[in-house]
Amino acid sequence: DAGVTQSPTHLIKTRGQHVTLRCSPISGHKSVSWYQQVLGQGPQFIFQYYEKEERGRGNFPDRFSARQFPNYSSELNVNALLLGDSALYLCASSLGAGPYNEQFFGPGTRLTVL
Amino acid sequence: QKEVEQNSGPLSVPEGAIASLNCTYSDRGSQSFFWYRQYSGKSPELIMSIYSNGDKEDGRFTAQLNKASQYVSLLIRDSQPSDSATYLCAVKRNAGNNRKLIWGLGTSLAVNP
Repeated sequence: DAGVTQSPTHLIKTRGQHVTLRCSPISGHKSVSWYQQVLGQGPQFIFQYYEKEERGRGNFPDRFSARQFPNYSSELNVNALLLGDSALYLCASSLGAGPYNEQFFGPGTRLTVL
Repeated sequence: QKEVEQNSGPLSVPEGAIASLNCTYSDRGSQSFFWYRQYSGKSPELIMSIYSNGDKEDGRFTAQLNKASQYVSLLIRDSQPSDSATYLCAVKRNAGNNRKLIWGLGTSLAVNP
């Protein structure tokens, strides 16, 4: 079975641009979460979606937005990129959104902002 | 106090030994606890989840949870060089509409042949 897929794997952008990252969850999973991980840190929660509804939002500015589609895939959008947005962006899928649902990660998208 | 704390390491053990990784958390309302392994440049990989006090074993891995002490640990028996990675502890609470995993900074483990 296919795991979580993310695209693109690597991306280079310049300050002020915007970026769209994509994620397809494991088949049958209805929840997608997005995380940002900078080197040497644990992942930082950005959003969680379940059944196309936002179920959680982390402490990120409004430049970050996301959505989930009817097929449960998801997009993360970041506007007005800053140098500090350079990080590994991780998507995780789970069956549901409750506390006992295990999250499985995709390979990540490495974003570099110049 | 950080919400989830781990010793950053590096923790160095010889091949075949038991590696013990520890994690403490601050929110008594936390309901579920997860251990992930992350190799350099890769994404986290789920090793084990634990929800109830006590031990949970899966192969060479044992997770231990003590909610009274707000402590969760991971034991790796018969450590192998391939176990060398960063181990991340993650904790989740079902706090209303803001359900999220809260992560420690990770413990770096080096298993020496």
